[in-house]
Amino acid sequence: EDKVVQSPLSLVVHEGDTVTLNCSYEVTNFRSLLWYKQEKKAPTFLFMLTSSGIEKKSGRLSSILDKKELFSILNITATQTGDSAVYLCAVPYAGNMLTFGGGTRLMVKP
Amino acid sequence: GAGVSQTPSNKVTEKGKYVELRCDPISGHTALYWYRQSLGQGPEFLIYFQGTGAADDSGLPNDRFFAVRPEGSVSTLKIQRTERGDSAVYLCASSFIAGGTDTQYFGPGTRLTVL
Repeated sequence: EDKVVQSPLSLVVHEGDTVTLNCSYEVTNFRSLLWYKQEKKAPTFLFMLTSSGIEKKSGRLSSILDKKELFSILNITATQTGDSAVYLCAVPYAGNMLTFGGGTRLMVKP
Repeated sequence: GAGVSQTPSNKVTEKGKYVELRCDPISGHTALYWYRQSLGQGPEFLIYFQGTGAADDSGLPNDRFFAVRPEGSVSTLKIQRTERGDSAVYLCASSFIAGGTDTQYFGPGTRLTVL
């Protein structure tokens, strides 16, 4: 059965800190890994990673995939209070449906 | 352009009642997915449609749950004889095509509370 595990479960930092969120996975027929940010209810798409070792970057957020070790990390530099959210990692299985990890709840204090 | 929309945003019902939750996907997206998210957990897959047909309903927890997409656009998730354990946020997502490398975009969800 496909499995996605995220760590830590929760994290509290102060504005300006850098954080690293982890996602490990076990999935047959890997195609991609996705990161989402969930603030209220709607997960909003951040990154899709398909190739190992290639960093995706968007502003202060970046993510990289290691297909050999079966994990991905999401980095956020110079954190702001608006980064407070649950960050979800997911992998598609059977080509279509997403298996999600339990999420990492990030709180950024002023 | 408009994203995925879901109505109602909140629904409170009593145990044993019937509820319908609606999802309007992004225009042109052929694949539509329903997920359920319990408090403190990641979303769990329920059912997905490719066009009008349910391509995979393996995530539906039991036969009280049913979903339709009669014209290949709007979908309705129907729950009969609701139970307190059905309380969760029901999320809908759509993608242009169904495939492992095609991004799913989520709606704001419907928070269902069964008293």
